[in-house]
Amino acid sequence: DQQVKQNSPSLSVQEGRISILNCDYTNSMFDYFLWYKKYPAEGPTFLISISSIKDKNEDGRFTVFLNKSAKHLSLHIVPSQPGDSAVYFCAASVGFEDKIIFGKGTRLHILP
Amino acid sequence: DTAVSQTPKYLVTQMGNDKSIKCEQNLGHDTMYWYKQDSKKFLKIMFSYNNKELIINETVPNRFSPKSPDKAHLNLHINSLELGDSAVYFCASSQGTGTAHEKLFFGSGTQLSVL
Repeated sequence: DQQVKQNSPSLSVQEGRISILNCDYTNSMFDYFLWYKKYPAEGPTFLISISSIKDKNEDGRFTVFLNKSAKHLSLHIVPSQPGDSAVYFCAASVGFEDKIIFGKGTRLHILP
Repeated sequence: DTAVSQTPKYLVTQMGNDKSIKCEQNLGHDTMYWYKQDSKKFLKIMFSYNNKELIINETVPNRFSPKSPDKAHLNLHINSLELGDSAVYFCASSQGTGTAHEKLFFGSGTQLSVL
């Protein structure tokens, strides 16, 4: 039962261009969303989050957009840099007390 | 000076054995977690402890027993290992009481292979 879906297992983007990673969810009760980034042989690290009361949150080169009606969120990275090559996990939760549900991740390759 | 460290990094063992994975965090956080990343790549929570008290205990076989001797340590003991236990196990910590909005700090993972 995949409540958080990242349908693209991988994505390749030219350095300097925009990377867009997508995430769909099925549970309309989700009200908090997060993105984590993972390098090989390391644990995931927190990147950015967004509450369902917002539709956009920005932190430097990273922007997360939330479309509640479509149950879709996306992570934009502009401009993409070589160090952005990693696996990106989308995650969501219901309410303050609930556990976080992670997607399977999308591997981003930044091409020189 | 690793923030969340877990050992061993790799663990290869035979079916039926008992093994432990250790985790320590030096961030002064109050809550610690165990996550499992299975072959399908999903990261799923197994347990969380806040100040040595169990908060989340997901539907995990009781062969898995977490132990928190103090709030800086959360170890995972697995009895009678099965082939399906092969996965990467991540320890994590967070600053607060374990709410879903807290930023998680992960260790680098333990790759468990059961033969």
